[in-house]
Amino acid sequence: EPEVTQTPSHQVTQMGQEVILRCVPISNHLYFYWYRQILGQKVEFLVSFYNNEISEKSEIFDDQFSVERPDGSNFTLKIRSTKLEDSAMYFCASTGHQGGSGELFFGEGSRLTVL
Amino acid sequence: SQQGEEDPQALSIQEGENATMNCSYKTSINNLQWYRQNSGRGLVHLILIRSNEREKHSGRLRVTLDTSKKSSSLLITASRAADTASYFCATDGIQGAQKLVFGQGTRLTINP
Repeated sequence: EPEVTQTPSHQVTQMGQEVILRCVPISNHLYFYWYRQILGQKVEFLVSFYNNEISEKSEIFDDQFSVERPDGSNFTLKIRSTKLEDSAMYFCASTGHQGGSGELFFGEGSRLTVL
Repeated sequence: SQQGEEDPQALSIQEGENATMNCSYKTSINNLQWYRQNSGRGLVHLILIRSNEREKHSGRLRVTLDTSKKSSSLLITASRAADTASYFCATDGIQGAQKLVFGQGTRLTINP
């Protein structure tokens, strides 16, 4: 069964360092998302991406964050200068349906720890 | 905000009992979805109910939607230890929103 894959599963970094989280969405999906979840808390929307551009972003997704689909398969989230409060699980998701009209398929997440 | 809010935040029941979780939201929706998350894992879609539907079943899951009250419930019948997880409702928006907004989740523990 097709699945969304994320790497790395866990990354530890120093405050101020750049981090790139990678995702391979399901191959025929067109809509891509990043969400994050601080330990034990709610799942927060960061950004949605369609047709090689950001379609919507949250207040959390400030200038320190960027997304890219550098080739036909990968979808990356970059944090330019990490802060302690960026420590969280980051989930990539994809769907073949526009907006929230269909099921989202999530990866297993990348746990980011900022020291 | 379209954010869903689940109630209760935590629920602990005995195996075999039914578990009911509720979700309230604030704005009009096209559909509402329920997801499950095992500890430390990704979210898995359970069921989607559209705004013109009132009830939907999938196996041991029963979801209701009351758009007049902006609320939904998820019932898991004959619970099993393997149902232990967090359950989240998620809503879209009719205004062309490009995302799902998730609630706080209900942490369900099934005691053997």
